[in-house]
Amino acid sequence: GDSVTQMEGPVTLSEEAFLTINCTYTATGYPSLFWYVQYPGEGLQLLLKATKADDKGSNKGFEATYRKETTSFHLEKGSVQVSDSAVYFCALILSGFQKLVFGTGTRLLVSP
Amino acid sequence: DTGVSQDPRHKITKRGQNVTFRCDPISEHNRLYWYRQTLGQGPEFLTYFQNEAQLEKSRLLSDRFSAERPKGSFSTLEIQRTEQGDSAMYLCASAPVGRGASTEGKLFFGSGTQLSVL
Repeated sequence: GDSVTQMEGPVTLSEEAFLTINCTYTATGYPSLFWYVQYPGEGLQLLLKATKADDKGSNKGFEATYRKETTSFHLEKGSVQVSDSAVYFCALILSGFQKLVFGTGTRLLVSP
Repeated sequence: DTGVSQDPRHKITKRGQNVTFRCDPISEHNRLYWYRQTLGQGPEFLTYFQNEAQLEKSRLLSDRFSAERPKGSFSTLEIQRTEQGDSAMYLCASAPVGRGASTEGKLFFGSGTQLSVL
C-alpha cells in the first residue's frame, strides 16, 4: 500500500545550522506530497506542498523538491531558529482521494 | 476564523465504557476528517465527510466506532465498549470545498482529544 518513511528523530541542531529531514514514499499512483508541522500544544499545520515531479514547495524558509526518480521529498532549511523546534510530518495523497498518508514524524530540537 | 475546535481536550475512561468526542470545523469548510494518532506514529485516517455525507471510512474504523455529521456542521465520534488499544489522540480536521490540486490535502487540524482507556 501507499506509505511514507521518515528519518527517525530527534534531530538536534544549534541555531543557524542547516537542516535536512529525509522523506521517501511508496505510492501506487502519482501522489501530491506535503510537509506538515506540529508545534508544541498546537494542531498540525500545512508547511508546504508539491503536486508533481520536480516541483519545489517552499514556506518560511523551508524547501522540499518532489523527486520522482528517487521517490523522495526531503525537507531543508538553510538556517534553523529555536522557534522551528517542532515535529515535522511528511505525507502524501493520491489524486482524487481524500486520505492523507502520514509518516511517523521527526522531532526537531533547536538550541540557542 | 477561530480554527477547528475539539472537545474535550482530554478524556480518561474505564475499559468497556462509551465515549463521545465533538469537533467543530471552520465554519465555511464542507469537508471534515477524523484521524487517530498514537505515540510515536503519524496520524492515521479514520473517516471523511463531505457536508453531512460520510463518504469514506478506513478499515481501522471498527464496528465500535461511529461518526456523524448530522447537519453538515459539527461532527461527533463515538467509541463504544472502549478497549485499552483505543487509547490515542483523536484528531479532527476540516477543509474548504475542493478545487483540484490547489486544495487537495490542505487540511486544518484541531488540537485533538487525548483518550486514555484504563
